[in-house]
Amino acid sequence: DIQMTQSPSSLSASVGDRVTITCQASQDISNYLNWYQQKPGKAPKLLIYDASNLETGVPSRFSGSGSGTDFTFTISSLQPEDIATYYCQQYDNLPQTFGQGTKVEIK
Amino acid sequence: QVQLQESGPGLVKPSQTLSLTCTVSGGSISSGGYYWSWIRQHPGKGLEWIGYIYYSGSTYYNPSLKSRVTISVDTSKNQFSLKLSSVTAADTAVYYCARTSRKSKGIDYWGQGTLVTVSS
Repeated sequence: DIQMTQSPSSLSASVGDRVTITCQASQDISNYLNWYQQKPGKAPKLLIYDASNLETGVPSRFSGSGSGTDFTFTISSLQPEDIATYYCQQYDNLPQTFGQGTKVEIK
Repeated sequence: QVQLQESGPGLVKPSQTLSLTCTVSGGSISSGGYYWSWIRQHPGKGLEWIGYIYYSGSTYYNPSLKSRVTISVDTSKNQFSLKLSSVTAADTAVYYCARTSRKSKGIDYWGQGTLVTVSS
């Protein structure tokens, strides 16, 4: 299985801050990576697909980049409603695998 | 708007079979272009992909669960189902059904999730 390692596992930032989460794959996955947001008690929500494409209806403050083994997810200006856990997911190989998650909190 | 809804017992005894059904509304499973997926999340933990099925019946399972998992589809009812046999406490989790794009493999619609507890 391809291992996905996210960092940090948690972070605390102020409203308006730029937030960056990284995801590293254990092998080259090209751009076959998606990002999800999960709020407590809710199902995950797709934010970014194919590493850098914004899902329809998702605010433009969210973005993704990277290819190969190293990927970045950015919130350009953190908002109170962005408090959640964020997961990366690779789909280059089955089984699809997820990172362990990054919990984002407001400072 | 596509909606997915899981249904099934919330409590299963050890060694028995966990059975869940996902009912899809707002779109047809038979329309193609999507895989119909099961994903689970252990309490307080991350996400684990269980497997998915295409409307034709083709299935893909996580090797870690493959010997115990069966995913099936009933296009006439616009439903797909999960069976997980020989469950243990380690199978206690929130189980989500979801739709996965065949192209991007983005999981774009999710059910609300259902907690299944394995306990005697």
